[in-house]
Amino acid sequence: DTEVTQTPKHLVMGMTNKKSLKCEQHMGHRAMYWYKQKAKKPPELMFVYSYEKLSINESVPSRFSPECPNSSLLNLHLHALQPEDSALYLCASSHFGDRQETQYFGPGTRLLVL
Amino acid sequence: GQQVMQIPQYQHVQEGEDFTTYCNSSTTLSNIQWYKQRPGGHPVFLIQLVKSGEVKKQKRLTFQFGEAKKNSSLHITATQTTDVGTYFCAGPGTALIFGKGTTLSVSS
Repeated sequence: DTEVTQTPKHLVMGMTNKKSLKCEQHMGHRAMYWYKQKAKKPPELMFVYSYEKLSINESVPSRFSPECPNSSLLNLHLHALQPEDSALYLCASSHFGDRQETQYFGPGTRLLVL
Repeated sequence: GQQVMQIPQYQHVQEGEDFTTYCNSSTTLSNIQWYKQRPGGHPVFLIQLVKSGEVKKQKRLTFQFGEAKKNSSLHITATQTTDVGTYFCAGPGTALIFGKGTTLSVSS
């Protein structure tokens, strides 16, 4: 199984809502990533978890809160988002978290903040 | 911080024409990866280049890594409509550092 799954595929939320994005992989990978991608731009790294510990936080606002319950699951909790946070949120995984590794991306969650 | 520059930003070709996208770094890269993102899709890994001067082929796609390991290119021979999408190069940084991508459109 070389698939990374993400739910939901689409999400519309108001600025006062709380929602969560979910990501799952069953490749035995020990590193998982959250990226944000705006239209016509490359993915921007948000967070990296390595062996279930947060190893990189790219100065992301606290309204985004990641969580790694176990080595297969990665969540992104959203609270009090702004319209400019509307984007495609991509989850990815890799074997160990070495920066030279191939990353496997999920299909993403398209988020619209109203 | 390390940056990976990619050109052109957009390229439109007629089906059957060739296409090339270029990636450049100001510093030596230990490796470079290429990803393709179809419209409405997500990045999909194509290949990783590690050795100086390395050339790899995948059917109509040819990938090159420069001798100085500071530049790379992706060349597509005889483009097809299935080649449409955005091609990203990515170098190692904190995690992957993506170039801005080249969006390829193909008319039949």
